[in-house]
Amino acid sequence: DTGVSQNPRHKITKRGQNVTFRCDPISEHNRLYWYRQTLGQGPEFLTYFQNEAQLEKSRLLSDRFSAERPKGSFSTLEIQRTEQGDSAMYLCASSPGQESSGANVLTFGAGSRLTVL
Amino acid sequence: DQQVKQNSPSLSVQEGRISILNCDYTNSMFDYFLWYKKYPAEGPTFLISISSIKDKNEDGRFTVFLNKSAKHLSLHIVPSQPGDSAVYFCAARTYSGNTPLVFGKGTRLSVIA
Repeated sequence: DTGVSQNPRHKITKRGQNVTFRCDPISEHNRLYWYRQTLGQGPEFLTYFQNEAQLEKSRLLSDRFSAERPKGSFSTLEIQRTEQGDSAMYLCASSPGQESSGANVLTFGAGSRLTVL
Repeated sequence: DQQVKQNSPSLSVQEGRISILNCDYTNSMFDYFLWYKKYPAEGPTFLISISSIKDKNEDGRFTVFLNKSAKHLSLHIVPSQPGDSAVYFCAARTYSGNTPLVFGKGTRLSVIA
């Protein structure tokens, strides 16, 4: 168990470019979450998956944001046509399924920091 | 609309003394609460949790107290150590597990040697 892995750790891009972040959850966890954290704020929920099913995506910030988890293992978060306001830390977390006593505890990765120039 | 509020952005405590971090919530459907600790350049790390059927949960130097009538919880760290210096986030969810964790803005704790 190597924990939740996120790549890249830091991405600098120019406004208007597309960026993609990858998250590899803990292998036995079937739930995967994406959060965003800006300076001085707590993590803000974006979307989550149970296996490959995306169960909640209404909190994605705009239609420029999309997430996938094609085989129920790793996930990607893509931001199209980035804006300066997208600069933030993007956090991925995973947890066991609802039937598990540990379902309420999310294990976070170290995050991917996005800087949009 | 902040459903989880941490009204103190920062707290300084001397080493060996008690640190008390506070959290208030507005959503009466919340019935499971967690505290996370975050160091710079790392993701949040789970610290301790409490279900609404309890009013206290203890794990070593860390104790969480829940006052449901006041919709208030607190994290006590005794004794505080310099390594406890971090940002602490309060989080809440409904026990069904189908709702995401909702986080407060965090409190930065500085433990002074």
